[in-house]
Amino acid sequence: EIVMTQSPGTLSVSPGESATLSCRASQSVSSNLAWYQQKPGQAPRLLIFGASIRATGIPDRFSGSGSGTEFTLTISSLQSEDFAVYYCQQYDNWPPLTFGGGTKVEIK
Amino acid sequence: EVQLVQSGAEVKKPGESLKISCKGSGYTFSIYWIAWVRQMPGKGLEWMGIIYPGDSDTKYSPSFQGQVIMSVDKSINTAYLQWSSLKASDTAKYYCTTQAQHSSSRYMWFDPWGQGTQVTVSS
Repeated sequence: EIVMTQSPGTLSVSPGESATLSCRASQSVSSNLAWYQQKPGQAPRLLIFGASIRATGIPDRFSGSGSGTEFTLTISSLQSEDFAVYYCQQYDNWPPLTFGGGTKVEIK
Repeated sequence: EVQLVQSGAEVKKPGESLKISCKGSGYTFSIYWIAWVRQMPGKGLEWMGIIYPGDSDTKYSPSFQGQVIMSVDKSINTAYLQWSSLKASDTAKYYCTTQAQHSSSRYMWFDPWGQGTQVTVSS
């Protein structure tokens, strides 16, 4: 099973600043990585697939990068609606598909 | 519009059985995998398993193998998740989600997600 580790657990950011979230895989997943956003009381929403491709309707302030075992989600100029929990998920080697533990982006 | 609508919240006692549902609309239900994801209170997402509506091929996470059963009725575009004997530790929100239509069966990500079904197990 591929273990996905996200850091930090919580990120405190002021509106308008940028946030950098990390996701590490226990073995290479190539570019087979997705990012999801979950707001309180809501279902997760797909942000990024293929490590760097934004899903339909996702603003360009969200960007993904990386390959192999190290991945980054960058949110530039954070808006109020971006404060949420973010999860990475690998789909390279499954079952099981595996999620990271999540990073909470909170208002500083 | 692709949409997944899940059944409503459930409150059950330990030892009881339960079957929750997830109805797809706006797409060809039978050709895209449906996954189930657990979220325990205040915790992250856990992938439980996946089922292909076309032939009911099912793959479980080792953590959930033998604990739940996934099934599907493709005639009514509905997937199910069931328990035969609930435990307090099954208390969680359960989401269904479908293979994104531009992904493949080998490399798949998930979009959209159902709204979730809250399951509470308490004596």
